[in-house]
Amino acid sequence: DVKVTQSSRYLVKRTGEKVFLECVQDMDHENMFWYRQDPGLGLRLIYFSYDVKMKEKGDIPEGYSVSREKKERFSLILESASTNQTSMYLCASSPTPYRKGSNQPQHFGDGTRLSIL
Amino acid sequence: AQSVAQPEDQVNVAEGNPLTVKCTYSVSGNPYLFWYVQYPNRGLQFLLKYITGDNLVKGSYGFEAEFNKSQTSFHLKKPSALVSDSALYFCAVIPYTGGFKTIFGAGTRLFVKA
Repeated sequence: DVKVTQSSRYLVKRTGEKVFLECVQDMDHENMFWYRQDPGLGLRLIYFSYDVKMKEKGDIPEGYSVSREKKERFSLILESASTNQTSMYLCASSPTPYRKGSNQPQHFGDGTRLSIL
Repeated sequence: AQSVAQPEDQVNVAEGNPLTVKCTYSVSGNPYLFWYVQYPNRGLQFLLKYITGDNLVKGSYGFEAEFNKSQTSFHLKKPSALVSDSALYFCAVIPYTGGFKTIFGAGTRLFVKA
């Protein structure tokens, strides 16, 4: 069965810290995504990657960066954590190569609830 | 701007009654349409999708969705609600522009009362 694993379910960090959120998928999917979920705002795309070492900004990339050194792993980095980055972070993956209209659903991890104090 | 609207923050229904969760979209071209469900402290799970063909799409757990091109809607339905259907539901759209970016609605919380 398809599985997307996020390394932490709950995380508490302090302002100014550099924070790493890790995501691993076991489906050999080309595409991986990072979203944040806030009440009333739905899911907002932070970054996505369509291949190893390739990344593109989503709707809210400010204050974040990503790394994809291996196909199965996609990391989200908060360069200097701030309280407004307290949120639920969701990782997802999907098949289908870039530049083709994709009708495949995304597969999500269970999320990391991040609190910045 | 391309968008997805879920006009109801919350839907309340009694167990055994039919349920409808509404979704309308505004995108160019013919989009791909999806519904996802999120249970507490979990990620989103795929329920069903519309690609082309029949306007009534059947999915997991007895859910179905009706695509209406003229009204640009894709409402989620179930003939008989269960208490275990209580969750957060997201409508999503992939515009067929050659990419794969998904636009999500804000979500609708469904409460099914016993």
